[in-house]
Amino acid sequence: ILNVEQSPQSLHVQEGDSTNFTCSFPSSNFYALHWYRWETAKSPEALFVMTLNGDEKKKGRISATLNTKEGYSYLYIKGSQPEDSATYLCARMNYGGSQGNLIFGKGTKLSVKP
Amino acid sequence: ETGVTQTPRHLVMGMTNKKSLKCEQHLGHNAMYWYKQSAKKPLELMFVYNFKEQTENNSVPSRFSPECPNSSHLFLHLHTLQPEDSALYLCASSQERGPNLYEQYFGPGTRLTVT
Repeated sequence: ILNVEQSPQSLHVQEGDSTNFTCSFPSSNFYALHWYRWETAKSPEALFVMTLNGDEKKKGRISATLNTKEGYSYLYIKGSQPEDSATYLCARMNYGGSQGNLIFGKGTKLSVKP
Repeated sequence: ETGVTQTPRHLVMGMTNKKSLKCEQHLGHNAMYWYKQSAKKPLELMFVYNFKEQTENNSVPSRFSPECPNSSHLFLHLHTLQPEDSALYLCASSQERGPNLYEQYFGPGTRLTVT
């Protein structure tokens, strides 16, 4: 994998459903993996920064896992709410690269219906 | 409110115009970034400044000229742009230390249309 890939591209769920998305990235020279939430007409907002293989992070109903050896991260949302509707971006930082140089995926657009 | 402001929020300019985008961060961060978001493409990093020094230029055409007079302000000077440069331009800032390495704080963006 040369780029950061996210799947699915979009997702429609009902309120209360749990869901998850995937971020795949090159595993060589890995330094950190970022997740951001981007709501329409707002600024992207950081959710998690993960660096270690096996890392798991949680913020409320949202959690993420990281596998640096195989090059993927999962983002989970438990009991989706309409306010979770947003585009979720992941970004990878290379080891030895310029500080803060993130390579972003295209994102997964989540729509939660009431 | 992320602590990063951008002006203007919307800009329409002709191909022969010269304009500037402004970004200001009130977070005490030492790094600032310009990103471009085109339709159906990922966020693309354009420039990185650390402690006012440019550390990254991702092969950006010279019609885009960044300026960082201090660690709180970042400008993007635009001249003789092309219609394909129409996009959302986002500014971000980060701190190099702390538990969330280079976690970036984004501004609301400037929606640029080149006619």
